[in-house]
Amino acid sequence: GAVVSQHPSRVICKSGTSVKIECRSLDFQATTMFWYRQFPKQSLMLMATSNEGSKATYEQGVEKDKFLINHASLTLSTLTVTSAHPEDSSFYICSANNNYGYTFGSGTRLTVV
Amino acid sequence: GESVGLHLPTLSVQEGDNSIINCAYSNSASDYFIWYKQESGKGPQFIIDIRSNMDKRQGQRVTVLLNKTVKHLSLQIAATQPGDSAVYFCAERTSYQKVTFGIGTKLQVIP
Repeated sequence: GAVVSQHPSRVICKSGTSVKIECRSLDFQATTMFWYRQFPKQSLMLMATSNEGSKATYEQGVEKDKFLINHASLTLSTLTVTSAHPEDSSFYICSANNNYGYTFGSGTRLTVV
Repeated sequence: GESVGLHLPTLSVQEGDNSIINCAYSNSASDYFIWYKQESGKGPQFIIDIRSNMDKRQGQRVTVLLNKTVKHLSLQIAATQPGDSAVYFCAERTSYQKVTFGIGTKLQVIP
């Protein structure tokens, strides 16, 4: 089956710094990947659609300058949280569409202190 | 939609009983629906899906029912086991492959 690998699984950073999260499709090519954010006891909220070789499409209310997305290859999309603040602390999850449907990464727990 | 500030609804079921988890979706143009299981600290895991031209689909111990008239989706789990304890989300494909998630239901299986 299709596997999506996400790293790191956990990261703690200081307020004001930037953090990069990687999402890789291991055994398939993904022209499109999706980034979600999930707060405790809440649902997954779609943040943006990452498109290989072109700009990402952001959902309403998501700051594109704060959440930088790069999809430079068919197997890798990255999400960089810039100038992170405590309110950015959340669980970030990526997803990619493939022949088996939508496969999700294992998520990244970001804590900003 | 986003349930900011609300706790997930909880369904408690005795081990061995059947579970029914319900979901109301928002977009009448959605053409594909998926149920996911999420365990604490992990990403969503695919359970079963259904296309909008169907009203029922069965998997191993799971059945999904789709009622497009009232925009309602349900997941039935037969002979619920302790390992089924998790949060369950319905999701719909709205446009250009985008998948959006419902509120979610926490399933607690009582041994």
